[in-house]
Amino acid sequence: GDSVTQMEGPVTLSEEAFLTINCTYTATGYPSLFWYVQYPGEGLQLLLKATKADDKGSNKGFEATYRKETTSFHLEKGSVQVSDSAVYFCALSNTGFQKLVFGTGTRLLVSP
Amino acid sequence: DVKVTQSSRYLVKRTGEKVFLECVQDMDHENMFWYRQDPGLGLRLIYFSYDVKMKEKGDIPEGYSVSREKKERFSLILESASTNQTSMYLCASIGLARSYEQYFGPGTRLTVT
Repeated sequence: GDSVTQMEGPVTLSEEAFLTINCTYTATGYPSLFWYVQYPGEGLQLLLKATKADDKGSNKGFEATYRKETTSFHLEKGSVQVSDSAVYFCALSNTGFQKLVFGTGTRLLVSP
Repeated sequence: DVKVTQSSRYLVKRTGEKVFLECVQDMDHENMFWYRQDPGLGLRLIYFSYDVKMKEKGDIPEGYSVSREKKERFSLILESASTNQTSMYLCASIGLARSYEQYFGPGTRLTVT
């Protein structure tokens, strides 16, 4: 079945550092890809998405490009802030019911 | 503003109790989902519903059932709670308009003792 693999955390960075969180997927067909973020004590919220190959999703300074040749959707940000500390989930959707398959999540800790 | 609410943020129940977790969305969404979130395992789909009174099993339905009597409300039921059902439970919904975004509630942290 479909699956998502993302790097284990925690990822610990200083403010203004460059961020990469790796995500690869296994799926039949042409899934849509997502990054969701979970701030402490809250539910998940959509950070960005890409629905076809070579699409780049972006939001709040975060970016990810849908690479079908490497089945990857890595999350990047050029300069992280303390307020970016959260758990980040990579996910895919590959069915008509829009079910999501999630990776295990990566905790990001940003220190001042 | 979009809203998914869950009946409790924290819940403590005893082994063998019947437990109801309620989820309500105000967006007139057709599809609703129940996930459980565990460290190192991410989110796993328990059940989902694509219409009133319709339900489908997700990846880990054992020990759970669901009810959707009204479009806005989707209930998760633990018929006889066990300690291995101690977890964070998240509800989500999405419309059919292909917005791609699932909207999540804040979660219910359930502890079964």
